[in-house]
Amino acid sequence: EPEVTQTPSHQVTQMGQEVILRCVPISNHLYFYWYRQILGQKVEFLVSFYNNEISEKSEIFDDQFSVERPDGSNFTLKIRSTKLEDSAMYFCASSSRQGEQPQHFGDGTRLSIL
Amino acid sequence: QKEVEQNSGPLSVPEGAIASLNCTYSDRGSQSFFWYRQYSGKSPELIMFIYSNGDKEDGRFTAQLNKASQYVSLLIRDSQPSDSATYLCAVNNWRGATNKLIFGTGTLLAVQP
Repeated sequence: EPEVTQTPSHQVTQMGQEVILRCVPISNHLYFYWYRQILGQKVEFLVSFYNNEISEKSEIFDDQFSVERPDGSNFTLKIRSTKLEDSAMYFCASSSRQGEQPQHFGDGTRLSIL
Repeated sequence: QKEVEQNSGPLSVPEGAIASLNCTYSDRGSQSFFWYRQYSGKSPELIMFIYSNGDKEDGRFTAQLNKASQYVSLLIRDSQPSDSATYLCAVNNWRGATNKLIFGTGTLLAVQP
């Protein structure tokens, strides 16, 4: 069964450094998402992406965050200058259509900021 | 603020019993409803989704939706120890021009052998 793949599985970074989290969505999916989950808290929406542009973003997704689809398969989340509070699990998801179609999640990247 | 509410649990049931997990949501315009299972330290795994009022069955799982009461539930029949996980309810109001899923905090299910 097709799946969303994310790399790396765990990223440890010094505060203030830039990180790039990578995702390969399911191949025939058109809608891409990033969510995060701080330890012990609920899964929170960050951003959705369709047709090579951001379609929606949350209050969390400030100027330090950016997303890109650099080629036909990868979807990346960049955090420019990491803060301690960015430590979380970051999940990439994709769906074939908007809304009513389920979003399928990757295994996540655990981001630890020191 | 649009919210999804779940009892955090833990909900403890004996092996073979029916587990009943409940979720309420505040956005009356919500259109799509999803149940995800999340094992500790892992990602959400889609279990069921439902769009219309009533019941939807898939194997041991039944999702129930009542839009008038803004209530969605998941029944797990013949519960197994491997069902022990956190069950996340998520809703979407895609007709409100948003694709984002709003998640509840999840209910921890513990199936006792």
